[in-house]
Amino acid sequence: DGGITQSPKYLFRKEGQNVTLSCEQNLNHDAMYWYRQDPGQGLRLIYYSQIVNDFQKGDIAEGYSVSREKKESFPLTVTSAQKNPTAFYLCASSWGDRTTDTQYFGPGTRLTVL
Amino acid sequence: SQQGEEDPQALSIQEGENATMNCSYKTSINNLQWYRQNSGRGLVHLILIRSNEREKHSGRLRVTLDTSKKSSSLLITASRAADTASYFCATDSSGYSTLTFGKGTMLLVSP
Repeated sequence: DGGITQSPKYLFRKEGQNVTLSCEQNLNHDAMYWYRQDPGQGLRLIYYSQIVNDFQKGDIAEGYSVSREKKESFPLTVTSAQKNPTAFYLCASSWGDRTTDTQYFGPGTRLTVL
Repeated sequence: SQQGEEDPQALSIQEGENATMNCSYKTSINNLQWYRQNSGRGLVHLILIRSNEREKHSGRLRVTLDTSKKSSSLLITASRAADTASYFCATDSSGYSTLTFGKGTMLLVSP
């Protein structure tokens, strides 16, 4: 999992609550990403950031929000507007601002809505 | 729709056998990557092959790329039980500013 940490490993949320997933990297990577993975499925891109204070929506951004105030950190907030948030969330980072370069992944956060 | 599609969806073999997984994609690419995911963990990068390369090796891994057929294959030779994981291909392509991952092939290697 390299130098990327995600916390918590498991997260339980009641319906209607916002929750924030943490992602920190010490690889000095410029680009960071958030993916969602459902059982038996591939990764779907939620948001990505190529530089501090800038980020772009991915394929499934609705119901999610992010911030990139520091190079090392890219937290993801799952809002109450996300209708089906139960999933495995993966954070990744890559060198430079080429978002098609090799990506390094964190260990993931499993979110369950009760 | 997702750019890369792996085939088969699942593969079960015995230790010592070779495992071959395929990935097909739809539009032209600059490079194609293969990643591995152990159950409940993050993905780990295995190998990257560029569009002007036809074959690449890394240890027991062999990757081929056929841009005319828009397909790639990952061969794991002399499989071990520790190779049990899901394997994903990821592509970059014109019109997409980020990598696109397929749904993966789940490989089970029995002792």
